Order: sequence, then structure tokens, then C-alpha cells
Amino acid sequence: KAGVTQTPRYLIKTRGQQVTLSCSPISGHRSVSWYQQTPGQGLQFLFEYFSETQRNKGNFPGRFSGRQFSNSRSEMNVSTLELGDSALYLCASSLGLSGSSYNEQFFGPGTRLTVL
Amino acid sequence: AQSVTQLDSHVSVSEGTPVLLRCNYSSSYSPSLFWYVQHPNKGLQLLLKYTSAATLVKGINGFEAEFKKSETSFHLTKPSAHMSDAAEYFCVVSDLNGYGGSQGNLIFGKGTKLSVKP
Repeated sequence: KAGVTQTPRYLIKTRGQQVTLSCSPISGHRSVSWYQQTPGQGLQFLFEYFSETQRNKGNFPGRFSGRQFSNSRSEMNVSTLELGDSALYLCASSLGLSGSSYNEQFFGPGTRLTVL
Repeated sequence: AQSVTQLDSHVSVSEGTPVLLRCNYSSSYSPSLFWYVQHPNKGLQLLLKYTSAATLVKGINGFEAEFKKSETSFHLTKPSAHMSDAAEYFCVVSDLNGYGGSQGNLIFGKGTKLSVKP
């Protein structure tokens, strides 16, 4: 069974631009979560989608948004990019809602976003 | 609110010696606890998870962790370190609500970088 895939793997943007990242979950998984990883803040939860609905949201500004399609694939969008948005963005999928010990999250390799 | 503290940002051991990575948590309800490992330029991989069935949890690659409610700890151990264990390790907590579901997102610790010397 294929793992979680994220595209693109690397991205360079300039301040003020917007970016869209894509995540394809493991086949059969209905939950997709997004995380931002930076050296200073560590891993921080962005949001989680389940059955095309946002179920949980972290403490990020409205510039960060996402959506999930009927095939469970998810996209994350960041508008008006800032230098501080440079990070590794990780996507994780699980069968059901994350957080339960019964729903292990499987992580993708991440998208490395650099904002110049 | 739930939180997790990894007490060491960096741990260095010699190959063949024991590994101890420390984690303390704070949780309102009965927590779910996990340890993940991240190798350079790779995604995170689940090492083990606490399901409330047993306080001593065995994971992959010889790792195990013990849930101690009285100490609010979930330390990760391995009897004998291998060079391939060099990576960053994350302790993660999530609250279970009264119905066994999830209260919300996973909370990650800041991570502990494990170095293994030959």
C-alpha cells in the first residue's frame, strides 16, 4: 500500500505570494492533518480534515487555509507569504479522526517551503 | 490544556549503551501518548503508542516506554543503542474525551536529538 505523498517536495516563493501544497493520504484513510515544523517552534498543528470537513484547527492566522476533496486528498493554501512561513509542512493521514490511540497517523515526507 | 515536555533537547550515547529519552505530560483526561521518530529528511514514523491497556508499551526497533500516571511521565528507553537510532524523537500527547474519541489535535514536544557514537 502506498504511503502518504506530498507534492511538491521543495518550493521557493517570495514574500506576498501565495502557495498551495498537496497531500494524498493512504488509500482508505479519511482524515488528513497538516503540521508546520520549524527549528524555533517545533511541530505545530495547523488543521485536520475528515470527510471534507475541517474538524480541528490550530492557532494559525487566517492566511493558512485548507480543504479536502471527496477522494480524501487535501490541499493547504498559504496566502500573502511572510518570511516566517518558511518551514517544513507535514501532512499525516489516519483512518479516523486523529488523537485516538486507535487511529495512528502516518506522515508524509513533507514539503520544504522557503520564502525569500 | 494538554502539554508535553521533553526534558532533554539533545542526548548522546555510545553504541551498545542504554538510551533514555525523557517525557512529561500534562493532560485533563485520560491521555493518548505516542513516541515518533524523525530521521533526517524523512517524515515521522510512529515508534509506539499508549493505549491504556498496559503501562509498559513495546514498540518497533527494540524501543519501549512506560506510562507512569503518578509521575505524569512517558519515558522512552532502549537497552542497547545502534548507530541507526540516531534521529530526532518526539513525544506526543492527545486527550481522549469521555467517549473515547479525540478532544483535538496532537501536541508535540520540542523533540530530543539522539546522537550515537561508535
